[in-house]
Amino acid sequence: QKEVEQDPGPLSVPEGAIVSLNCTYSNSAFQYFMWYRQYSRKGPELLMYTYSSGNKEDGRFTAQVDKSSKYISLFIRDSQPSDSATYLCAMTPNTDKLIFGTGTRLQVFP
Amino acid sequence: SQTIHQWPATLVQPVGSPLSLECTVEGTSNPNLYWYRQAAGRGLQLLFYSVGIGQISSEVPQNLSASRPQDRQFILSSKKLLLSDSGFYLCAHGTGVGYGYTFGSGTRLTVV
Repeated sequence: QKEVEQDPGPLSVPEGAIVSLNCTYSNSAFQYFMWYRQYSRKGPELLMYTYSSGNKEDGRFTAQVDKSSKYISLFIRDSQPSDSATYLCAMTPNTDKLIFGTGTRLQVFP
Repeated sequence: SQTIHQWPATLVQPVGSPLSLECTVEGTSNPNLYWYRQAAGRGLQLLFYSVGIGQISSEVPQNLSASRPQDRQFILSSKKLLLSDSGFYLCAHGTGVGYGYTFGSGTRLTVV
């Protein structure tokens, strides 16, 4: 079993939809959680990071962590075609070294 | 501010040829540095990481090696490339526990 599981998609939604991207994990020691966005042929860029459980909002993006269920989510409101990318979750217990999910490919069509 | 440079952007190499990919970081000292490979449709595979000059940890036995000759320079090498070495190679530096990595722009390597 992988430490971090993420549905590869692709997830295809119309413009304006609310998108939910999710990861599950098995290591209860994970405390720091991140979401990266990767456009085709580019390096991943950090979107959001959170510590422990709870929600964090940044513009159209909301990151949610449920440590009791070992489940994290990224919500994108009012999705735009420019949001079309691969989204990777990442997490770590308390070190600099991250464990990544395999990424979910999102397509937002006009 | 911290920036990370990675080159070349694309590379086509024949089987059996050597490889050298370079990564440099600016705006920080003594960074933790990482080399990842991303195969088409697959996740990020950690290849090597380094916490200081000359200190290299290998995550996966393979045809590749890494070196850190200077504090902010990280090099990925191979003496003889295999077809299976094709992929998208990413360099990254750590920005502190819980704050994630900053990635370079990547090198797309095709071994023919």
